[in-house]
Amino acid sequence: AQKVTQAQTEISVVEKEDVTLDCVYETRDTTYYLFWYKQPPSGELVFLIRRNSFDEQNEISGRYSWNFQKSTSSFNFTITASQVVDSAVYFCALSEAEETSGSRLTFGEGTQLTVNP
Amino acid sequence: EAQVTQNPRYLITVTGKKLTVTCSQNMNHEYMSWYRQDPGLGLRQIYYSMNVEVTDKGDVPEGYKVSRKEKRNFPLILESPSPNQTSLYFCASSSLRSEQYFGPGTRLTVT
Repeated sequence: AQKVTQAQTEISVVEKEDVTLDCVYETRDTTYYLFWYKQPPSGELVFLIRRNSFDEQNEISGRYSWNFQKSTSSFNFTITASQVVDSAVYFCALSEAEETSGSRLTFGEGTQLTVNP
Repeated sequence: EAQVTQNPRYLITVTGKKLTVTCSQNMNHEYMSWYRQDPGLGLRQIYYSMNVEVTDKGDVPEGYKVSRKEKRNFPLILESPSPNQTSLYFCASSSLRSEQYFGPGTRLTVT
């Protein structure tokens, strides 16, 4: 069975601080996908990134960066120079790559990030 | 505009009164899913569908039904809602191995 753990329930930082959101996953599959979604106070789910299990390269997109390490089954998300608009709940998720279950996403519990001015 | 739509967005109902939450996507996606979001539990999958007339249970299917008669629509049916089904519901669609596109959510309260 798949499992995603986001041990940080809530994080509070001051604007311009860097912050890392942790994500640890469990799966028996050798091929899988990892995702991060953002849920701002308005409630919608915003896709941030998808990474397949064969690509361990770190990725950077503006102030966002992701560190994928298969050795520790982690897919951590760092926001550099945080801003108030980054305040949201962030979800890490995992899906199998099989055609019969390609739409099955397993989510972590979410991390509530609050960025204070 | 590519989107997933859900209706209604907000619903307050009473125990036992059958209801349907509609979901529609305009991206010709094969896969569609329903999730519920509860505090401290993240999102949990209720049902998913791999194509027309092909559905399967997710992690928390009890008390829910779905159907997939057309590729674009995937309604969620609560035959006899109970208070423990009070939650925020999301519909999602995707093609194989793509990210899932989520609808705006339906906040359901069962009294």
